[in-house]
Amino acid sequence: DVKVTQSSRYLVKRTGEKVFLECVQDMDHENMFWYRQDPGLGLRLIYFSYDVKMKEKGDIPEGYSVSREKKERFSLILESASTNQTSMYLCASSLGLAGQGEQFFGPGTRLTVL
Amino acid sequence: GIQVEQSPPDLILQEGANSTLRCNFSDSVNNLQWFHQNPWGQLINLFYIPSGTKQNGRLSATTVATERYSLLYISSSQTTDSGVYFCAVAQRGGYQKVTFGTGTKLQVIP
Repeated sequence: DVKVTQSSRYLVKRTGEKVFLECVQDMDHENMFWYRQDPGLGLRLIYFSYDVKMKEKGDIPEGYSVSREKKERFSLILESASTNQTSMYLCASSLGLAGQGEQFFGPGTRLTVL
Repeated sequence: GIQVEQSPPDLILQEGANSTLRCNFSDSVNNLQWFHQNPWGQLINLFYIPSGTKQNGRLSATTVATERYSLLYISSSQTTDSGVYFCAVAQRGGYQKVTFGTGTKLQVIP
């Protein structure tokens, strides 16, 4: 079974802090994704990566950056956390051409920025 | 971009009842998935079904790609079926991102 893990289930940070969210998958998938989920807005794509060191902006990349130094690991970075980044963050991975393969999700990280 | 609409937005069922959830999309797709999000936020894969029909226990799904819709059937519902059901699609061609519908919130009451 595909396993996608995220570094924290719950995280509380202060405004202005630099925040790292880490995602690891164990199935050698090429593609990895970061989404945020907010009530009434559904899941929105922040960034995705289709190869090591490659990244593409999603729908809402502002205020975020990503890093993919190894195939199995995809990090989401909040350079200077703000209260409007309080959200549920979900990581996913898939095989094949980005968007074409079945996506598998991690358990999510609930981030609160005070 | 592609539009994905799910209906109904909310659904309350008595345990044991059957239901049909619908997903409409506005363009041709290469990929369609159904997910169940449990109360803890985990998205669980139900079906990867760009076309055709699949069944898994009490759940089944049908996608009619030419008519741009997919249906998820839940039979003999149980309280553990409660949660939010999402469909997600990716348009044909290239590195197309996946677009999620806004979900159907299902509550199954004993």
